[in-house]
Amino acid sequence: GENVEQHPSTLSVQEGDSAVIKCTYSDSASNYFPWYKQELGKGPQLIIDIRSNVGEKKDQRIAVTLNKTAKHFSLHITETQPEDSAVYFCAASISSGSARQLTFGSGTQLTVLP
Amino acid sequence: ETGVTQSPTHLIKTRGQQVTLRCSSQSGHNTVSWYQQALGQGPQFIFQYYREEENGRGNFPPRFSGLQFPNYSSELNVNALELDDSALYLCASSSTYLAISSYNEQFFGPGTRLTVL
Repeated sequence: GENVEQHPSTLSVQEGDSAVIKCTYSDSASNYFPWYKQELGKGPQLIIDIRSNVGEKKDQRIAVTLNKTAKHFSLHITETQPEDSAVYFCAASISSGSARQLTFGSGTQLTVLP
Repeated sequence: ETGVTQSPTHLIKTRGQQVTLRCSSQSGHNTVSWYQQALGQGPQFIFQYYREEENGRGNFPPRFSGLQFPNYSSELNVNALELDDSALYLCASSSTYLAISSYNEQFFGPGTRLTVL
């Protein structure tokens, strides 16, 4: 089955700096890669996703890049703010018929220091 | 538009008991997936329900079972609870349309925190 590895497990940055989180996946059949933000006591919130036919996607301060050959994808957050502090999860997904299950990384605790 | 809701928010059970967790999907969504999130880890896929049938299952034993109802809401049932079942149980809803190539963006509810003593 699919295996997703995520690094780093913790990341501290100064407010205004950039943060980068990296993930690798094992199954070349994976074709959808969402990123989720989870705040304490809440469920994961979808913040951005990328599909295998695209190399990069940007939404305001957040961008994701995908390298299918190397089987890795990254989340970039620019101009970080204290409210960006949370646990971030990457995921990879294979579609099996009508079913699509997400395989998650182990998470990155991002702390933005004021 | 109503988001994904789950009940109850917290639950405490003892080993060997049975538990039922509930999920209401987001308006317009016809597919529900369940995930287990142990403390400090990423969510793990349990199973998915579409058209009231199980439509994909992760590496979980048969004592984890589910239902989907005609209004697309869903239940997760766990029998013979074990200590390791203590976790946050997350429900995610999405839309599946077989006639359209879909990436099934999944939107999560707040979860049910289950503690097994």
